[in-house]
Amino acid sequence: KNEVEQSPQNLTAQEGEFITINCSYSVGISALHWLQQHPGGGIVSLFMLSSGKKKHGRLIATINIQEKHSSLHITASHPRDSAVYICAVVRETSGSRLTFGEGTQLTVNP
Amino acid sequence: EPEVTQTPSHQVTQMGQEVILRCVPISNHLYFYWYRQILGQKVEFLVSFYNNEISEKSEIFDDQFSVERPDGSNFTLKIRSTKLEDSAMYFCASLYRGLNTEAFFGQGTRLTVV
Repeated sequence: KNEVEQSPQNLTAQEGEFITINCSYSVGISALHWLQQHPGGGIVSLFMLSSGKKKHGRLIATINIQEKHSSLHITASHPRDSAVYICAVVRETSGSRLTFGEGTQLTVNP
Repeated sequence: EPEVTQTPSHQVTQMGQEVILRCVPISNHLYFYWYRQILGQKVEFLVSFYNNEISEKSEIFDDQFSVERPDGSNFTLKIRSTKLEDSAMYFCASLYRGLNTEAFFGQGTRLTVV
């Protein structure tokens, strides 16, 4: 079983819709990252969380440490949000390296 | 905005050949990483590097792999004798501090072994 599980694997939305991507993990962590991978392959950091909630523009990330769960929300989605969204954790026992989920492929149609 | 730079963006090599993938991390960052992503799979950790030495490595990072920071700016990953299964996207990442800081990734090098 993967230590980091994301759902859904694939998500298709219409422009303007509110989107939620979920991440569950089974290990103790010191931080959780949300990343965006563009079609060309490059990876961009969106958020780093160790507790609570963060907001940047139309993106909101939350984490519940007790439930070992995090969500990434996109409000007023746009076709340019189409990408793979990846959840990655820093395990308490593994220094600072990231352990990645499989990613969620998001497609936003106009 | 500061960025991590990787070269080349794409490299094709014959099986058995040596390749060197290059990365220029952000200048004041202290922790450096190599990850790889085989096509259609999730990103996997290879190695982390701090204070001019390897701090952690995965089972993937066997004797055919090596890393070094020869001149205080470049951070390289060498694969001594490439295999077909080494074909993947290789990402360099750097962090200012190790824990609980934002990770900055390069755009990746797509390595194709033929």
